Formats: sequence, C-alpha cells, structure tokens
Amino acid sequence: GPKVLQIPSHQIIDMGQMVTLNCDPVSNHLYFYWYKQILGQQMEFLVNFYNGKVMEKSKLFKDQFSVERPDGSYFTLKIQPTALEDSAVYFCASSLGQHSGNTLYFGEGSRLIVV
Amino acid sequence: QQQVRQSPQSLTVWEGETAILNCSYEDSTFDYFPWYWQFPRESPALLIAIRPVSNKKEDGRFTIFFNKREKKLSLHITDSQPGDSATYFCAASRSAGNKLTFGIGTRVLVRP
Repeated sequence: GPKVLQIPSHQIIDMGQMVTLNCDPVSNHLYFYWYKQILGQQMEFLVNFYNGKVMEKSKLFKDQFSVERPDGSYFTLKIQPTALEDSAVYFCASSLGQHSGNTLYFGEGSRLIVV
Repeated sequence: QQQVRQSPQSLTVWEGETAILNCSYEDSTFDYFPWYWQFPRESPALLIAIRPVSNKKEDGRFTIFFNKREKKLSLHITDSQPGDSATYFCAASRSAGNKLTFGIGTRVLVRP
C-alpha cells in the first residue's frame, strides 16, 4: 500500500538544541499531519497542513514547533529549542482529502529523545 | 480527559477464539470511527471503520459493533490468528475534518 517515510527513525538530542523531523508523504496526497505519542499514552494530534498553510493545531503544538513543506519536498516538523517533555515518538501522516473517510496513512514514527 | 477510551489495555486469546476490544467516546459530534492496527516496528494502518448510520460493519473476521445511544463500540476478531497479534487503536473524528482522536490502544496477543 501507500507508504509514508520518516527520517530519522530515532534521534537523541541535547535539550535546547534544534531538531528537524522529516516526512515524505504519499505522492499524490495533499493533507499532512503530525501526531505525538509519549510512551504509554495515546497518539495525539499536533497539527495539520494543506497548501502551504497550517490548517489546525492543538495545544500541544507549542510556539517552539513549526512545520513546512518547501517546494513539495519533505514535510518537516522543527522543534527549536527542544525541551525534555518533547521526548516522544512523532508520527507523520498524509491523506488525499480533508474530510473524514479519507484514510490517513502513517509513517513508522521518529523516536525523539531529549536529554 | 480522554475523549476516546479503550479497554482492556492488553488481551491474550488462544488461536481460534474471539477477541473483543472495547471503545467508548465522549463527544457526540464524532461521526467517523476508524480502527487502526499497528504491528511492532511498523506504522499504524487502517483496519476497518464505521459511521453512526450503521450499527455493524464487517470485513472478514473483523466486525465493529456500534451503539450510538451509549457512545460505545467494540471490535470483534473472530477465529483469531497469531498474525492478528498487534496493538489496536480506536479513533474518532468529525466529518468536517480529518483530525483523529485516538484511544490508548489495546495490545492483543494471539497464542497458537
């Protein structure tokens, strides 16, 4: 089936440093998402993105977070500066359409450890 | 406050038995309920989904039962196979958007 690729699969970073998580969504998809999963908890919505703009973001999407997809390249989540509580698995997803019923395809996640 | 709750957190069944996974939700504006499954070291993937216009959705050995009045649904896996061993996530969204609210997941182990 359609694949969403995430790079890196895992990263350890010092608190205060910047990290960029990269996502290669399904090729013809137009809507992109980031979810955050802290160990032992549910996946939680961070942000969705369409046509170069953030459509909706949750309270978890702090000011230190930003997303972009320059010129159809990777859809990225940047955290600057990182904090200890940012340690989690970050899942990227993409979908063809906006409305429910449009299947979200997820990547395998990027495990971020902030020390 | 969890908007989507799942139980049990883990479940072990023997091959051939029926596994029953429970899910409940708070927000009555949710109108789309997909179940995702995730195998170790793989990405979550859509398994089956239901809308409240139906109270049952079947796909092979997987069946969703939906009770709109009680805001509950369940996923039944009949004739469970070892290959069904995975974590199952119940999720919910509203038709106007595609933002999924996930439960914490149920880890299912099917013993041969």
